[in-house]
Amino acid sequence: EAQVTQNPRYLITVTGKKLTVTCSQNMNHEYMSWYRQDPGLGLRQIYYSMNVEVTDKGDVPEGYKVSRKEKRNFPLILESPSPNQTSLYFCASSFHTPYGYTFGSGTRLTVV
Amino acid sequence: SQQGEEDPQALSIQEGENATMNCSYKTSINNLQWYRQNSGRGLVHLILIRSNEREKHSGRLRVTLDTSKKSSSLLITASRAADTASYFCATDSTNAGKSTFGDGTTLTVKP
Repeated sequence: EAQVTQNPRYLITVTGKKLTVTCSQNMNHEYMSWYRQDPGLGLRQIYYSMNVEVTDKGDVPEGYKVSRKEKRNFPLILESPSPNQTSLYFCASSFHTPYGYTFGSGTRLTVV
Repeated sequence: SQQGEEDPQALSIQEGENATMNCSYKTSINNLQWYRQNSGRGLVHLILIRSNEREKHSGRLRVTLDTSKKSSSLLITASRAADTASYFCATDSTNAGKSTFGDGTTLTVKP
């Protein structure tokens, strides 16, 4: 089944403890992107990648890192999480732009 | 600030009625997309309209795009209770790869 898989689905962590949210797609998509969704703010783009080894900042990149070493994986790294990064995170991919994005099921992160 | 802004924020209708949602944006775009999200779940792509298109249909969905007014509308005809969800517009800017989502319209369809 064609899909974008995020792990974990839920995560509670403490301030400052490095974490990685994984994202993998099995559709050979070139484009991948991370978003965070907060009440009243819609989805905001964190980072995106047009292809392997090519990443760019979205609108809210501060406090996040990404890497794209292989086409299928696009992990989101929080080196030192803070409570303001508590949010619902979505990974998405597409063959390339402009095509519709396929979204993962989301990762609900709580930083205490 | 968000590129896309949906209007209204919330819409409640009876099953069988039509639902219209609007999206406005601020800068030049390559295309505009509409997505549906059921509570807390991943977004599902509904339809994409390119900047050189004015209208597009997909089943009960009709999307229009007016680039002179920087606005788009999504019409859902003959709505069903299963259409209850949040609907988002997303714009892909001329800066390839950057996409911006609006805050969404929450649609409730009463059986």
